[in-house]
Amino acid sequence: EAQVTQNPRYLITVTGKKLTVTCSQNMNHEYMSWYRQDPGLGLRQIYYSMNVEVTDKGDVPEGYKVSRKEKRNFPLILESPSPNQTSLYFCASRTSGGLHSTDTQYFGPGTRLTVL
Amino acid sequence: DQQVKQNSPSLSVQEGRISILNCDYTNSMFDYFLWYKKYPAEGPTFLISISSIKDKNEDGRFTVFLNKSAKHLSLHIVPSQPGDSAVYFCAASPTGTASKLTFGTGTRLQVTL
Repeated sequence: EAQVTQNPRYLITVTGKKLTVTCSQNMNHEYMSWYRQDPGLGLRQIYYSMNVEVTDKGDVPEGYKVSRKEKRNFPLILESPSPNQTSLYFCASRTSGGLHSTDTQYFGPGTRLTVL
Repeated sequence: DQQVKQNSPSLSVQEGRISILNCDYTNSMFDYFLWYKKYPAEGPTFLISISSIKDKNEDGRFTVFLNKSAKHLSLHIVPSQPGDSAVYFCAASPTGTASKLTFGTGTRLQVTL
């Protein structure tokens, strides 16, 4: 089954304790992305990756890091989490396609992170 | 600065009637638009899209209309079904950067019996 998986699904942590949220896709997609969803703000893009070893900032990259060492994995790293990073996080992937690829983005189920 | 706006946070429609969800955008560089549907505890799923060279795109019960001069798009669902109850996000992509989607804040649609 084609899917995007995220782990963990729920996480409660404390300020400053480094954490990693994993994202993996089994569709051989080149493009992967991370979003956060906050009330009244919709989904905002954090980082995206067009292919292995190619990453770029989205709209809200501050406080986050990513890496793309393998095609299937795109972990999101919070080196020193703060309470304002409490949010619902989604990973997504798609084939890179053309300039206006009609390929859809497939989203993972989400990770609810609480930073105390 | 919210470049994609969905001004109605919620909408309630009777089963069988038409649901109309609206979306406005401010960035004139946006030229590709998408609608996503999201159920609780799941990620968003793609619903329908439209390019700026069109003013209408239809897929079954779902139709998206684009008014470029007004920077407005709408999603029509006819007839509405209880399974359509979800949060709907519109998203936009600017010219040359198809990988950067800007999402609206979402509209929660409830279809009642």
